Amino acid sequence: AQSVTQLDSQVPVFEEAPVELRCNYSSSVSVYLFWYVQYPNQGLQLLLKYLSGSTLVKGINGFEAEFNKSQTSFHLRKPSVHISDTAEYFCAVSDEGSNYKLTFGKGTLLTVNP
Amino acid sequence: EAGVTQFPSHSVIEKGQTVTLRCDPISGHDNLYWYRRVMGKEIKFLLHFVKESKQDESGMPNNRFLAERTGGTYSTLKVQPAELEDSGVYFCASSRRNYGYTFGSGTRLTVV
Repeated sequence: AQSVTQLDSQVPVFEEAPVELRCNYSSSVSVYLFWYVQYPNQGLQLLLKYLSGSTLVKGINGFEAEFNKSQTSFHLRKPSVHISDTAEYFCAVSDEGSNYKLTFGKGTLLTVNP
Repeated sequence: EAGVTQFPSHSVIEKGQTVTLRCDPISGHDNLYWYRRVMGKEIKFLLHFVKESKQDESGMPNNRFLAERTGGTYSTLKVQPAELEDSGVYFCASSRRNYGYTFGSGTRLTVV
């Protein structure tokens, strides 16, 4: 069975500071990894995904994540955040055996302060 | 292209009543998924349609939940009778290929 742990439920940062949102997963097979973002009153939007290939994945809005198989992690980073990045971020995992359904973490609320 | 549309956006019902949530996927997307987030917990998979067929309904919590997808187009999720623990946000997503998910804005269901 798969599981996802997002180690921080809330992350407050100041504008223009760097941020890292942590995600660890457990799975017995090869995995596919995703980060989604939910802005207030909106649906889930895909930020980036790792399916295969390069372990450094670049997404929208300047975010990137690195797949680390040995540490079973997929941390999300951004070098300089904006007020508009305030949202809830979800890490998710899937694999071929799960028929492409996603297993999500509990989410991390990123609050960017001026 | 139009996105995934869910309605209502909010619903408040009393325990024991029936509620029907609707999802209109992106046109041409054969895959349709329902997920649910109960307050304070993870977003969890409920079921997956391929066209009008249920591919996987392993996440459906109990037989009070009934999902249908008429003619492989829109889908409905009915809760009958609703219980307090059914409160949460219900998300629908669709994709043409697996992993090309587009999520809707969700329906916030409150059972009082």
